[in-house]
Amino acid sequence: AQSVAQPEDQVNVAEGNPLTVKCTYSVSGNPYLFWYVQYPNRGLQFLLKYITGDNLVKGSYGFEAEFNKSQTSFHLKKPSALVSDSALYFCAVRDTGMNRDDKIIFGKGTRLHILP
Amino acid sequence: GAVVSQHPSRVICKSGTSVKIECRSLDFQATTMFWYRQFPKKSLMLMATSNEGSKATYEQGVEKDKFLINHASLTLSTLTVTSAHPEDSSFYICSARSGGTSSGNTIYFGEGSWLTVV
Repeated sequence: AQSVAQPEDQVNVAEGNPLTVKCTYSVSGNPYLFWYVQYPNRGLQFLLKYITGDNLVKGSYGFEAEFNKSQTSFHLKKPSALVSDSALYFCAVRDTGMNRDDKIIFGKGTRLHILP
Repeated sequence: GAVVSQHPSRVICKSGTSVKIECRSLDFQATTMFWYRQFPKKSLMLMATSNEGSKATYEQGVEKDKFLINHASLTLSTLTVTSAHPEDSSFYICSARSGGTSSGNTIYFGEGSWLTVV
């Protein structure tokens, strides 16, 4: 079964600095990878996804993520953080291998704090 | 982007009663919808996968008789928490997958529903 790990519970970044939120995954086949953001008491908003093609994926609000197959990672990045980026970020994976199911599995989430 | 509407956003019910949460895809047809539960400071726990016109597939440990899921149309899925207890209090989130059967299609989420059982 697929799994996804977000090794950091919280990431603190000063406003204007680049940010990285880490995500690694495990699948039997090729992964479909997603990043979502959750603001307090709200549902999840889609940021970006990797299905195939260019390893660098650009998404909403200036975020991007790089798919690295050898390191089984899909870290979320932004060149210059904004205070409004402070939220809970979830990485998710879907397996496309022979034993795949229809599920998307989420990491435990990383809380991003952007310090003014 | 696609919109998924969830209603109600907040509901308080008495212990022992049942409560229904609706999930609608507003501008696309969703053959598959997912229901998640989120505990405080925890990640999303997949409860069940709902396919239009068929029975939902429940994850291990989720009581299907307690959490009734119906996906009667391509734009509506409902979650009914039956005989609710205080431990059922949680944030429930639905999601819907846009587009045919392609595995890569994006999943869009509703805003979530806070359930408080008193």
